[in-house]
Amino acid sequence: EDKVVQSPLSLVVHEGDTVTLNCSYEVTNFRSLLWYKQEKKAPTFLFMLTSSGIEKKSGRLSSILDKKELFSILNITATQTGDSAVYLCAVEFQGAQKLVFGQGTRLTINP
Amino acid sequence: EPEVTQTPSHQVTQMGQEVILRCVPISNHLYFYWYRQILGQKVEFLVSFYNNEISEKSEIFDDQFSVERPDGSNFTLKIRSTKLEDSAMYFCASRTGTASYEQYFGPGTRLTVT
Repeated sequence: EDKVVQSPLSLVVHEGDTVTLNCSYEVTNFRSLLWYKQEKKAPTFLFMLTSSGIEKKSGRLSSILDKKELFSILNITATQTGDSAVYLCAVEFQGAQKLVFGQGTRLTINP
Repeated sequence: EPEVTQTPSHQVTQMGQEVILRCVPISNHLYFYWYRQILGQKVEFLVSFYNNEISEKSEIFDDQFSVERPDGSNFTLKIRSTKLEDSAMYFCASRTGTASYEQYFGPGTRLTVT
């Protein structure tokens, strides 16, 4: 059975800290891994990763994929209270349409 | 910036009633999806739709569910006879289907079945 597992499930840090969120997967026919940020409602797209070892960066957020060890990390540096959200990892398959999601990491940034 | 929109934001219905959830995908997108998220649980895939037909569906998407693209802009999910366990947030998503594969999600419809 295809599985996407995120850790930790919950994380509370202080503003300014750096955090690393983890996503591991066991899937057949992997195509890509996606990270989303979910605040009140809609998951908003952050990154899509298809190749191992190539870091994607957007401001204070970055992410990398390891296709040999089957995991990805999402780093957020100099965290701000606006980074508080649930971060979702999802995997897409070759020849299929669906995304399979992990359970999410609830990140809380305290001032 | 273009975005996926969904209506209504919240729908309350009685068990056994039919509901239609509406979505307007991003205009140049070709692939459309419905997902649901039961409170406290993972986002789950329901169905994908391309070229006016279902391209993939999950086990959850049984005979009580149907999807339609009635015109060039709307994409709907119908639940024929709602059950209590259909209570969830329903998300519509779309993607271009060409160079980029990322799916863009709407704000969701919260369905409450009483």
